Amino acid sequence: QSALTQPASVSGSPGQSITISCTGSSSDVGNSDSVSWYQQHPATAPKLILYDVNKRPSGISDRFSGSKSANTASLTISGLQAGDEAHYYCCSSATGNTRNLFGPGTEVTVV
Amino acid sequence: QVQLQESGPGLVKPSETVSLTCTVSGQLINEGYFWGWIRQPPGMGLEWIVSMHYTGFAYYNPSLRSRVTMSIDTPTRQFFLNLTAVTAADTAVYFCARQWEPGRFDIWGQGSQVIVS
Repeated sequence: QSALTQPASVSGSPGQSITISCTGSSSDVGNSDSVSWYQQHPATAPKLILYDVNKRPSGISDRFSGSKSANTASLTISGLQAGDEAHYYCCSSATGNTRNLFGPGTEVTVV
Repeated sequence: QVQLQESGPGLVKPSETVSLTCTVSGQLINEGYFWGWIRQPPGMGLEWIVSMHYTGFAYYNPSLRSRVTMSIDTPTRQFFLNLTAVTAADTAVYFCARQWEPGRFDIWGQGSQVIVS
């Protein structure tokens, strides 16, 4: 059972923006700058899309952005596209960087 | 470019030990990163298992610590996961990954399916 919580599903229309939350505690998200987000399409490995709360790896679209307030981190996808349909997982370091915690994942649907 | 490739037995009997190997190509394994294992049960989310530096320093998921051993072989550019006393709950796809910093797994293998039955 994950110590981080995410909504099970979020949906949006093409071109819209959606936001996925990742809520933890002062032991993880609240005291960590090491919050990352992963995109996973069916039957593929997860792909890093954000790290250190709001930094994008090379090659990741600027339609993906991140933020954090208190114990909650957020991923925003703007200009939603059909290819954004996937599961999204947050990940935070915890307990003084001695643990990695994944959220339960959020399924994004483009309707 | 850096690539990771898992290999494993596929099918394991309950109570046995599953051994997985991750082979790194495109870089040396002792270049300052951590290397880790993450698993994903069927239809479920990701669960971090363990991360290790090539020097041997490691940290573990407390819920799995008693059954997990990780090791690194620098010359062969491989690292390994042993999970003992497996049950059906250990059925999952097991991913190896490069950990750039806490929480940041930037390169992943394609995954190795392990079925306990």
